[in-house]
Amino acid sequence: EDQVTQSPEALRLQEGESSSLNCSYTVSGLRGLFWYRQDPGKGPEFLFTLYSAGEEKEKERLKATLTKKESFLHITAPKPEDSATYLCAVPGGNYQLIWGAGTKLIIKP
Amino acid sequence: EAGVTQSPTHLIKTRGQQATLRCSPISGHTSVYWYQQALGLGLQFLLWYDEGEERNRGNFPPRFSGRQFPNYSSELNVNALELEDSALYLCASSLVGSPNYGYTFGSGTRLTVV
Repeated sequence: EDQVTQSPEALRLQEGESSSLNCSYTVSGLRGLFWYRQDPGKGPEFLFTLYSAGEEKEKERLKATLTKKESFLHITAPKPEDSATYLCAVPGGNYQLIWGAGTKLIIKP
Repeated sequence: EAGVTQSPTHLIKTRGQQATLRCSPISGHTSVYWYQQALGLGLQFLLWYDEGEERNRGNFPPRFSGRQFPNYSSELNVNALELEDSALYLCASSLVGSPNYGYTFGSGTRLTVV
């Protein structure tokens, strides 16, 4: 069964304290992995698409990496405005995106 | 380029009433997806429309329905509203009915049932 698991569920960091979020997946024939950011009460905002193991994408303080079994979202020297829930998703076998439950990131000033 | 637009932003209804939510996809996108997100919970897939047809639905009762118009805009109807239908309803669109390109989301409609 296609599955996406994100960890940790919540992560509290001090401003400037770097860390990583994990997204592990079980799907036959990976056709992409997507990272989104969601602020409270808003729709998810697209961040990155990764298509093959070894691929990396960067945007400001965020860097996403992909292996054959998981993806990491690395956050370098985060700021309070990086606080949000980060979601990952992969295309499943029924033409749907399979979503993880998300990691709630809180950056304290 | 205009993004995915949803209306209304907020909607307050009484239990038993009907609610209609609307979505306009990005120009050129033929697929529209509807999700429900209850407070503090994850995204729950509701419905997928592509080229005017319902292609798939999630594990929701039949009182959740919708349609897609010739211009690819869509509406979600929720009949016989229940208190637990209170949630953020998100619409997303994608290119040619394939999730391989990811989705673009609207800002959502906050439905409150009282």
